[in-house]
Amino acid sequence: GIQVEQSPPDLILQEGANSTLRCNFSDSVNNLQWFHQNPWGQLINLFYIPSGTKQNGRLSATTVATERYSLLYISSSQTTDSGVYFCAVDNYGQNFVFGPGTRLSVLP
Amino acid sequence: DTEVTQTPKHLVMGMTNKKSLKCEQHMGHRAMYWYKQKAKKPPELMFVYSYEKLSINESVPSRFSPECPNSSLLNLHLHALQPEDSALYLCASTGHPNPNEQFFGPGTRLTVL
Repeated sequence: GIQVEQSPPDLILQEGANSTLRCNFSDSVNNLQWFHQNPWGQLINLFYIPSGTKQNGRLSATTVATERYSLLYISSSQTTDSGVYFCAVDNYGQNFVFGPGTRLSVLP
Repeated sequence: DTEVTQTPKHLVMGMTNKKSLKCEQHMGHRAMYWYKQKAKKPPELMFVYSYEKLSINESVPSRFSPECPNSSLLNLHLHALQPEDSALYLCASTGHPNPNEQFFGPGTRLTVL
């Protein structure tokens, strides 16, 4: 099946810093989503981005489908950005595969 | 409304108990999913229902029994669970505006004693 990798596994930032999270996948996909999982376990949709670039406030994402990677940019980070960021892909089935996640801690 | 609801939020059960988890969505989505998430791990797919029919079962033990009574409702019946089944159980649905975009409920945190 499709493999999904994320880097870095852990990231500690000072409030106000910028960061880039990466997701690599091993096969072509028809769906790629970025999620933020808060401390209570809720998975919050950040982006639905099988290809192209999107922006939402301080967050933006780019997926280069031909090169099988996606990037999530967080600018001017805040303590509320802390949590785990997951990339998840679906390669033309209904089997949605999650990457291992990036655990982000933003310090005040 | 992009909301998926799950009840209960927390559940503690013994190994001989029978309990059920419930998931509901009113977005008109036609596919619904159950995932299991252990601590510090990503969610893992358990079951997929498409148009109220079971389309994927990821080799889940029979002590977990899914049910889709209608297109808005998904249940997970639990019987004779083991302590290692303790986890966060997440429900999701897909349909529109993007056919493959998943929306997740808040989860049920299950503890098996």
